[in-house]
Order: sequence, then C-alpha cells, then structure tokens
Amino acid sequence: KQEVTQIPAALSVPEGENLVLNCSFTDSAIYNLQWFRQDPGKGLTSLLLIQSSQREQTSGRLNASLDKSSGRSTLYIAASQPGDSATYLCAVPLSGNTPLVFGKGTRLSVIA
Amino acid sequence: DAGVIQSPRHEVTEMGQEVTLRCKPISGHDYLFWYRQTMMRGLELLIYFNNNVPIDDSGMPEDRFSAKMPNASFSTLKIQPSEPRDSAVYFCASTWEGIKNIQYFGAGTRLSVL
Repeated sequence: KQEVTQIPAALSVPEGENLVLNCSFTDSAIYNLQWFRQDPGKGLTSLLLIQSSQREQTSGRLNASLDKSSGRSTLYIAASQPGDSATYLCAVPLSGNTPLVFGKGTRLSVIA
Repeated sequence: DAGVIQSPRHEVTEMGQEVTLRCKPISGHDYLFWYRQTMMRGLELLIYFNNNVPIDDSGMPEDRFSAKMPNASFSTLKIQPSEPRDSAVYFCASTWEGIKNIQYFGAGTRLSVL
C-alpha cells in the first residue's frame, strides 16, 4: 500500500528566504508525482506534475525534483513571498488515471 | 469551462439527517473522484467512476455512504444517516484519459454534522 509522508508538517520563514518542502513515498513504482497548493477554505490547485521518467519540473519560482529510487521528491520555492503562504500537498497515483494518494501536507507561513 | 462545480459549498445538519453532496465535472472528462479531507487523516479517496461506472468504492467508510453518477455531467454523494464524525471537507475531482492524472478539483463542500 502506497503511503506518502510530508516533512515538516508546518514551516514559518521570513519573506525572501529560499525553502524546501519534502515528500517521501513508500512504493517507488509511481506513475507520476504532483504538487498541489491549498489555500484555507479552498480547493486544490495543481502546481507541478513530474512524470516518472523526469527528474524535475520548474514553474516560475517553483522547482520540483523527483528521485524514484529513493522514494523522494522536493519542492523548492525561491525568494518566498507572503502570498506563498498556504498548505502544500504532494500526491502520487497508483497508476495511470487512478486515484491520488496524498501526503498530509506542509503548512507554510511566509512572514513579511 | 467553469471547472469542477460542487454544491453546496457549506452544509450544516443535525445528526441523523440525510445529506446529499453534488458534483458537476468538467465537460469531456470521463473520470470522477470523490475525496474526503479531515485534520486527522488528510485527503483520502472515497470512490471513483470511469464513464459513469463505479470502479473502486473501497474508501467508502460504511453503508451510510453511497455515490451515484447517473450521467457524465453529474454525480452525488449521499450520507444517510449522517453522524458528527462525518464532518469534513468533501472534494470532487475529474480528469480524462488524454491528460493522465492531472486531476482538477472542485472547491469542496464543508460538511458539519451537529
């Protein structure tokens, strides 16, 4: 059974700092890995999706890496801003178009 | 497209009452997922459909929960009778074969059972 763990559960940083969020998964036979952002009381917004054959994906100040063999992914946020404050979730599907298994998220606070 | 639409956004009910949550997937999507989010357990799958047919309902907690998808543009999740431990945020998501596993989520329904 796939299990996804995110560390830390919460993180508070001053504005402008670079930071890394961690995600680990127990079964390395993943189809892809996705990072989501969730604002309080809102739904999920997809940030980055890394296919199993890829090592990283970048979008603006965000960079996600994937190491299947070690069962790990990281989300790097450069030059953090107060608007980045949210909960970040990583998720992996069992295969193709199948349900996502989510980590419990990292709650990020960027202090101005 | 308006995205995945869920209704109601908030529902407050008393224990024992029937609750029906609704979801309209993105037009053209043939997969629909129902997830539940709680503080303790995070986001977990309840059930998912492909072409309106339930594929996996192993996440449905018990017989009080049921889900239907009568057509490609509508799904319901029903709880009868509701209990306080059902209080959670319920999300619906959809996708289609051509965009493997890029699931689009609705805004969720926040359910409070008193």
